[in-house]
Amino acid sequence: GAVVSQHPSWVICKSGTSVKIECRSLDFQATTMFWYRQFPKQSLMLMATSNEGSKATYEQGVEKDKFLINHASLTLSTLTVTSAHPEDSSFYICSVPLQGHMNTEAFFGQGTRLTVV
Amino acid sequence: GIQVEQSPPDLILQEGANSTLRCNFSDSVNNLQWFHQNPWGQLINLFYIPSGTKQNGRLSATTVATERYSLLYISSSQTTDSGVYFCAVGGTASKLTFGTGTRLQVTL
Repeated sequence: GAVVSQHPSWVICKSGTSVKIECRSLDFQATTMFWYRQFPKQSLMLMATSNEGSKATYEQGVEKDKFLINHASLTLSTLTVTSAHPEDSSFYICSVPLQGHMNTEAFFGQGTRLTVV
Repeated sequence: GIQVEQSPPDLILQEGANSTLRCNFSDSVNNLQWFHQNPWGQLINLFYIPSGTKQNGRLSATTVATERYSLLYISSSQTTDSGVYFCAVGGTASKLTFGTGTRLQVTL
């Protein structure tokens, strides 16, 4: 399967600071990547679609000014949590769709556990 | 939006037992995947199965798209099977809606 690398795996930051999370597709180029968030004991929720060469598309209820997404190249998308607060503490994980001949299968990075203190 | 429900929410098995996990979804889909989330949070791809049946070792899955459900079978469970199992569905845009998850604990 496709290899998706996410960095860092975990980060602790102070309230009010910003944190950048990187998602890299190591095997192939991706014009689209996706960012999800998971709170403890809950399911994963799609936050936004990262589009190479254009603005990200955010899901309803996700603040685009707080969660800045930049699809810098065909292999890299970054999520920046700006002015982080404790309620932003969560598990953030990216996915890259691998488009095959007959299907599109999603592969996920290792995830980033963010703790805001 | 599409609703995805999984059952049971929690499952405790003794090592060696078999189990069936179910995923119901509320609308037609182009993509259905099963994942195992390990204790570190990583999502492991188990099956891409929008329809039909697939098998991989002790695991198999069946999706009946016309009836909007999918089943994941785990046979001869091992402690390493513990974790949370998610099904996720999607349309043509490649983004996924995750189910509620089944938390599996396999004991010795």
